[in-house]
Amino acid sequence: AQSVTQLDSQVPVFEEAPVELRCNYSSSVSVYLFWYVQYPNQGLQLLLKYLSGSTLVKGINGFEAEFNKSQTSFHLRKPSVHISDTAEYFCAVSDTGGFKTIFGAGTRLFVKA
Amino acid sequence: DTGVSQNPRHKITKRGQNVTFRCDPISEHNRLYWYRQTLGQGPEFLTYFQNEAQLEKSRLLSDRFSAERPKGSFSTLEIQRTEQGDSAMYLCASSLDGAYEKLFFGSGTQLSVL
Repeated sequence: AQSVTQLDSQVPVFEEAPVELRCNYSSSVSVYLFWYVQYPNQGLQLLLKYLSGSTLVKGINGFEAEFNKSQTSFHLRKPSVHISDTAEYFCAVSDTGGFKTIFGAGTRLFVKA
Repeated sequence: DTGVSQNPRHKITKRGQNVTFRCDPISEHNRLYWYRQTLGQGPEFLTYFQNEAQLEKSRLLSDRFSAERPKGSFSTLEIQRTEQGDSAMYLCASSLDGAYEKLFFGSGTQLSVL
């Protein structure tokens, strides 16, 4: 079975500062990794995903994530955040042979002016 | 692509009543999922359909919960004899085949059990 741990429940950051949202996963099999974002009063939408190949994955809105197999991590980063990035971010994992996507508890990113 | 549609958006019910939610997935998507999300938590997997077949149901789901997807199109989630602990946001998502495919989520149905 897979599990996902998001190490920070809330991350406050000033506008234009860099940010990293941390995610660790646990699985005994190969996995696919995802980051989803939920803006206030909106449904979840995909930011980016890692399937295979290059460990650095670029997503929408300037976000990127790096897959680190030895550390079982998939941290999300953005070099310069905007007020509009304020949202809840969810790391998720699914095993390559299955169908079920498991989500972490989420990290609330709060960007301050 | 009209997106995943869920109805109703909000449902308030009294403890012990039955409720039913509807999800209309993106038309060409074979897979349909139900998740439950409570405040401060991520979506929790409830059940999954491949076309009309329900292939897995979470062990966390009691017998009061039932889901259907007749003809592999829309899906319904019914909760019988609701309890206050059932209060949550119920999310529906759909996807194409493949564990690597992204999930498209609806806006959810917020259930409040009084």
